[in-house]
Amino acid sequence: DIQMTQSPSSLSASVGDRVTITCRASQSISSYLNWYQQKPGKGPILLIYAASSLQSGVPSRFSGSGSGTDFILTISSLQPEDFATYYCQQSYSTPRTFGQGTKVEIK
Amino acid sequence: EVQLVESGGGLVQPGGSLRLSCAASGFTFSSYWMHWVRHAPGKGLVWISRINSDGSSTNYADSVKGRFTMSRDNAKDTLYLQMNSLRAEDTAVYYCARAEYSSSSRHFDYWGQGTLVTVSS
Repeated sequence: DIQMTQSPSSLSASVGDRVTITCRASQSISSYLNWYQQKPGKGPILLIYAASSLQSGVPSRFSGSGSGTDFILTISSLQPEDFATYYCQQSYSTPRTFGQGTKVEIK
Repeated sequence: EVQLVESGGGLVQPGGSLRLSCAASGFTFSSYWMHWVRHAPGKGLVWISRINSDGSSTNYADSVKGRFTMSRDNAKDTLYLQMNSLRAEDTAVYYCARAEYSSSSRHFDYWGQGTLVTVSS
């Protein structure tokens, strides 16, 4: 199975801050990397697919980059509604493994 | 509007069984592969299983293989997860998700709101 490791596990930031979350795969996954946002009591929402493609309806302050084993999710200017947990997921092979999550909290 | 609505969760004793359902609407259900993902308390998301569009092929995580069975009824636009021999570690919110596939991407573009399964005596 491909292991996905996110860092940090949590972070505190202020509205307007630039936030970056990294995700590393245990082997090359090309660009088969997705990012999801989850808020308490809700199902996850797709933000970024294929490492850098913005899902329809997702604000442009979210962006993704990377390929191979190293990937980054960037929020250019954190908004109040962005406080949530973020997960990366590889879709290169089955099982479709997720990172352990990064909780973004208000500073 | 695409909607996925899970149901069937609840409290069950260890060793017991439950069947989860996921009712789909707003899209041609029979054209899409579907997945189940669970979220245990205080833990991250874990992929459980997938089924192809006509229901002829399934795959499972090792943790549930032999105990869980995923199926679908395309006439009813409904996905199922039959869970047998349940253990305390199966306690989680279970989500169904629609898979979108292209030549360069595979991702879950819609998720349900989840249904809670609690395994406890």
